[in-house]
Amino acid sequence: EVQLVESGGGLVQPGGSLRLSCAASRFIFTTYAMSWVRQAPGKGLEWVSAISGSGGGTYYADSVKGRFTISRDNSKNTLFLQMNSLRVEDTAVYYCAKVMASTGAVFDAFHIWGQGTKVTVSS
Amino acid sequence: DIVMTQSPDSLAVSLGERATISCKSSQSVLYSSNNKNYLGWYQQKPGQPPKLLIYWASTRESGVPDRFSGSGSGTDFTLTISSLQAEDVAVYYCQQYYSSPHTFGQGTKLEIK
Repeated sequence: EVQLVESGGGLVQPGGSLRLSCAASRFIFTTYAMSWVRQAPGKGLEWVSAISGSGGGTYYADSVKGRFTISRDNSKNTLFLQMNSLRVEDTAVYYCAKVMASTGAVFDAFHIWGQGTKVTVSS
Repeated sequence: DIVMTQSPDSLAVSLGERATISCKSSQSVLYSSNNKNYLGWYQQKPGQPPKLLIYWASTRESGVPDRFSGSGSGTDFTLTISSLQAEDVAVYYCQQYYSSPHTFGQGTKLEIK
């Protein structure tokens, strides 16, 4: 069974940094684009960032552009989200998600989701 | 950015009755070269990650009961649950993946009347 397991969340002060990881298993990681989606407490889903299968294409929501960096290590089947200059409004559960098709392209539905990792930004 | 607007925000339907959720996009998500609508529907139950129900606007994901169906094209889409079951209580989201950012609708909370 395809599996995504996020880690790296926690409590951080405003202005601080965190690096989230998403360990993927039981599929050919390099052939699938991946994304990060977040959900603030009691709120809806917000797409954050996406990366192509090769890692050559990256995309960001305006709310995180310039502060967050998505990357992947295809040799270790792991997706990352480096989050800098964190703000209170970045507090959320962060999910990683795998797209449906093994084309490497990001323009696709989110087929498999991880269970999420909680990020709290507070002083 | 493409804005996705769902209606209603919440919905109460009796068991066995039909539930209908609308999703409108601020611009077309139909890609003319392949005639596909880049629109998905997700179900999220409390404490769980979202689950993909429908992709390409009308293709049911494997394992999703056939009471769930998606329709529409261009800018207007609908998720229909033909006969509501107790386990369908959840929040439902539409999402466009036609262009970045891959925006979600605000969600529709479905409850039992």
